[in-house]
Amino acid sequence: GENVEQHPSTLSVQEGDSAVIKCTYSDSASNYFPWYKQELGKRPQLIIDIRSNVGEKKDQRIAVTLNKTAKHFSLHITETQPEDSAVYFCAAWGSGGSYIPTFGRGTSLIVHP
Amino acid sequence: KAGVTQTPRYLIKTRGQQVTLSCSPISGHRSVSWYQQTPGQGLQFLFEYFSETQRNKGNFPGRFSGRQFSNSRSEMNVSTLELGDSALYLCASSLLDSQSTEAFFGQGTRLTVV
Repeated sequence: GENVEQHPSTLSVQEGDSAVIKCTYSDSASNYFPWYKQELGKRPQLIIDIRSNVGEKKDQRIAVTLNKTAKHFSLHITETQPEDSAVYFCAAWGSGGSYIPTFGRGTSLIVHP
Repeated sequence: KAGVTQTPRYLIKTRGQQVTLSCSPISGHRSVSWYQQTPGQGLQFLFEYFSETQRNKGNFPGRFSGRQFSNSRSEMNVSTLELGDSALYLCASSLLDSQSTEAFFGQGTRLTVV
């Protein structure tokens, strides 16, 4: 089955810095890659996603890049703010009707004011 | 509009008992999926229901089961509870499926097995 590895497990940055979280996946048939943000005690929320026919997607301070050849995708957050502090999860979803998503273990992002 | 609602929010059960968790999706959403979240294993997919049918299933033992009703509300049942079943159980609803339409998560049910 699919295997998703996420790094780093913890990321500490100063406010205003950029943060990058990377995920690798094993199944070349995976075609959908969402990122979720989960604040302490709250539900996960989709923040950005990318499909396998696109190399990059941007939404204000957040961007995701996908390298299908190397089978990795990354989340980029620019001009970080304290409210960006949360756990971020990547996921990879199968294709061809296979709906089983596999999640990374999560990255705890801490933005220091 | 109302979000995804999970009940109860907290549960304490004894080993060997069974438990039923409930999930009410966003109005109009037909897909409901269930996840187990633990510090050790992270987020793991349990199963997905669409129009009262289980469409996909993750790698969990048969003690974990679910169902979906005609109003799209879903229940998850865990029988013969084990200590390792202690986790946050999340459900998510989407219009069609979470690959083509955004999945919205509920607040989760925190299950503690003692």
